Amino acid sequence: EIVLTQSPDFQSVTPKEKVTITCRASQSVGSNLHWYQQKPDQSPTLLIKYASQSISGVPSRFSGSGSGTDFTLTISSLEAEDAAAYYCHQSSSLPFTFGPGTKVDIK
Amino acid sequence: EVQLVESGGGLVQPGGSLRLSCAASGFTFSYYWMHWVRQTPGRGLVWVSRISADGSSTGYVDSVKGRFTISRDSAKNTLYLQMNSLRADDTAIYYCARTTGGTIDYWGQGSLVTVSS
Repeated sequence: EIVLTQSPDFQSVTPKEKVTITCRASQSVGSNLHWYQQKPDQSPTLLIKYASQSISGVPSRFSGSGSGTDFTLTISSLEAEDAAAYYCHQSSSLPFTFGPGTKVDIK
Repeated sequence: EVQLVESGGGLVQPGGSLRLSCAASGFTFSYYWMHWVRQTPGRGLVWVSRISADGSSTGYVDSVKGRFTISRDSAKNTLYLQMNSLRADDTAIYYCARTTGGTIDYWGQGSLVTVSS
């Protein structure tokens, strides 16, 4: 099983500040790494697919990069509505797995 | 608009059974692979199972193999998860999800399953 680790676990950020979340895989997943946002009491929503591909309707301040085992989700300028948990997910091999999540709070 | 609506959750005793359903609408259900993913406060998101578009291929996480069965009925646009021999650690919110090109792109609202005596 491919284990995904995320850092940090929690981040308290001021609006307009840049946010960087990292996801590391225990073995290569190629580009089969996706990012999701989950707001309280809501289902997850897709933010970035295949490491760096943007999703229609997702604000351009969200971007992704990386390949192999190291990946990054960047929020270029945080807005209040971005308070949420962020998860990475690999679909390279079964069983599919998710990272433990990073909670972003607004200062 | 893509919609996935789960039902069938509830309280069940350890060792009991439950069947979750997921009604799909807004897309051609028979074209897409589908998944079940569960979430608990302590263990985050855990992928549970998947089924191919035609239902011929399935996959499970080790912890549910032999106890859970995923299936689909394209005539009814419905995905199922039959859960037997339920344990306390199966307690979670269960999400139905659709994949496009290998990416989970839509999630249902979730159905709470509580296993407790």
